[in-house]
Amino acid sequence: DTEVTQTPKHLVMGMTNKKSLKCEQHMGHRAMYWYKQKAKKPPELMFVYSYEKLSINESVPSRFSPECPNSSLLNLHLHALQPEDSALYLCASSQELAVAGILSTQYFGPGTRLTVL
Amino acid sequence: QQQVKQSPQSLIVQKGGISIINCAYENTAFDYFPWYQQFPGKGPALLIAIRPDVSEKKEGRFTISFNKSAKQFSLHIMDSQPGDSATYFCAAIHAGNMLTFGGGTRLMVKP
Repeated sequence: DTEVTQTPKHLVMGMTNKKSLKCEQHMGHRAMYWYKQKAKKPPELMFVYSYEKLSINESVPSRFSPECPNSSLLNLHLHALQPEDSALYLCASSQELAVAGILSTQYFGPGTRLTVL
Repeated sequence: QQQVKQSPQSLIVQKGGISIINCAYENTAFDYFPWYQQFPGKGPALLIAIRPDVSEKKEGRFTISFNKSAKQFSLHIMDSQPGDSATYFCAAIHAGNMLTFGGGTRLMVKP
């Protein structure tokens, strides 16, 4: 089973709202990722967790706050977003981080389509 | 700096034809090369992947050809079908680093 699930599928929020995106995997993967994808572009890495610890933060604005409650779950808390933050937010997981490439192969969830009004 | 260059940006193929997407990389430390297929509104799905010590890998209608000396690799889709219409991303990865994506190719297969 190579499934990564994400909820919700769609989210519309105002600039003053607080919302959260959720991601779950049950493949025993120890690395989890958040990406942002704009139309017609490849995914852009935002955050990486390895063994439930934040490993990489790609200079993402503080209005995005990641959380990894356990090895299967990854959240992205959203607050005071801007209209330009509207995008498809993707979660991914891989067996490991920082090892031979085959074990770092990432499996993506279906994404959350976020619209900021 | 874009470390993986992908071409073409868009491709139109007739049903039953061969779709070919090319990628070139710069970093010789890359040690694994996955291809992802993405349908509109969906997440990228791992399609097929290859190690640099293998020159070709085939899975059904999908084949990766790899030329290590030229630092190039390509995806061939044989007998292309309308259901193959999607965006394809090549990618590269090495230990301790993240996925580096190509710019993507939008494939349309006409009936």
